[in-house]
Amino acid sequence: EAEVAQSPRYKITEKSQAVAFWCDPISGHATLYWYRQILGQGPELLVQFQDESVVDDSQLPKDRFSAERLKGVDSTLKIQPAELGDSAMYLCASSLQGREQYFGPGTRLTVT
Amino acid sequence: GENVEQHPSTLSVQEGDSAVIKCTYSDSASNYFPWYKQELGKRPQLIIDIRSNVGEKKDQRIAVTLNKTAKHFSLHITETQPEDSAVYFCAASSNDYKLSFGAGTTVTVRA
Repeated sequence: EAEVAQSPRYKITEKSQAVAFWCDPISGHATLYWYRQILGQGPELLVQFQDESVVDDSQLPKDRFSAERLKGVDSTLKIQPAELGDSAMYLCASSLQGREQYFGPGTRLTVT
Repeated sequence: GENVEQHPSTLSVQEGDSAVIKCTYSDSASNYFPWYKQELGKRPQLIIDIRSNVGEKKDQRIAVTLNKTAKHFSLHITETQPEDSAVYFCAASSNDYKLSFGAGTTVTVRA
């Protein structure tokens, strides 16, 4: 069964450093989402892509976060500079248009 | 935007008993309501979903009910087993396909 892939699974970085996360959606899924999940809370949407285009990035802190999906397949989420409050699980999900969202295993980020 | 509230935050049940988790939503345009199960350190897994043209949906031991008038939906797990222990999240979206999640319910099934 196809799954969403993410890497790295864990990342420890010092504040003010740059960090990047990678996501490979299920083949054929045009819609890709990045979520942030703080411990003990539900996932919160950061950015939504339809193919290579950003559909919604209203909740993305654009002063430090950026996301791209250049060829409409895999995607990268970057944080620069990282802050202590960015410590969280970063989840990627993909879906066919208007259908169920399937999540990757996530990247757990710890900022020290 | 959509606001989803989920109750209870924790739920402890005896093995074999039923568990019920309730969610309310604010946006009357919401028309898709999935439920995810997340085990410790693992990805959220879609376990069941319901669309607004249906009032109830069942899949083996799990069922979801939807009351559009009251803007609430519920997850029902019958004959609970230890492997049902996890965090369960409800979510809602409209035609923009953006999911808004509840805060989660930690279910513990006691053997």
